Amino acid sequence: GAGVSQSPRYKVAKRGQDVALRCDPISGHVSLFWYQQALGQGPEFLTYFQNEAQLDKSGLPSDRFFAERPEGSVSTLKIQRTQQEDSAVYLCASSLGGSRSGYEQYFGPGTRLTVT
Amino acid sequence: AQSVAQPEDQVNVAEGNPLTVKCTYSVSGNPYLFWYVQYPNRGLQFLLKYITGDNLVKGSYGFEAEFNKSQTSFHLKKPSALVSDSALYFCAVSPNAGNNRKLIWGLGTSLAVNP
Repeated sequence: GAGVSQSPRYKVAKRGQDVALRCDPISGHVSLFWYQQALGQGPEFLTYFQNEAQLDKSGLPSDRFFAERPEGSVSTLKIQRTQQEDSAVYLCASSLGGSRSGYEQYFGPGTRLTVT
Repeated sequence: AQSVAQPEDQVNVAEGNPLTVKCTYSVSGNPYLFWYVQYPNRGLQFLLKYITGDNLVKGSYGFEAEFNKSQTSFHLKKPSALVSDSALYFCAVSPNAGNNRKLIWGLGTSLAVNP
């Protein structure tokens, strides 16, 4: 079946521009996560959705970052007034949710954001 | 602070030899433990997990991992390495209860298997 998809795969933004990154999770997956992976680093948690509810946004680095999942499926991560330190790969992952799933997360290919 | 350590930036092994990629963690409670692999220009792929039960868990592509609670370790192993196993390996820990299984990640270990 189809995996997690993300678009665009690559995005170049000028400093100060707003960007929107899209994630299409695996159909039926309740849990959705966003991570940020800087070059040479492990991913870092940004935010978590259970269906349409954003239950944890403790990892969002500033109020310039905003995420939504209005219908409990597709999610969008928006970054306003991008800064050079926002340059990273943004990963989306989904999970079936609940003890029946085993909790493993399935990742999309990521969106590589470069802020110039 | 909760953390995951992968003490080796790079591991080099000869094809056919056993391999070990190390992971230790500092997380309270009974976390869930995961290994993921990342190939160039591809997304992170789930390899295996420890939730509860037998300390030796088996996963994809012949990989296995041993959970050691007293040493807070979860080392990844494979009895006989293949050149195609060359990739970046990440250990991740999920400390939370419930559905919010956000992951705390190590920095990754680059595995090079030489023919």
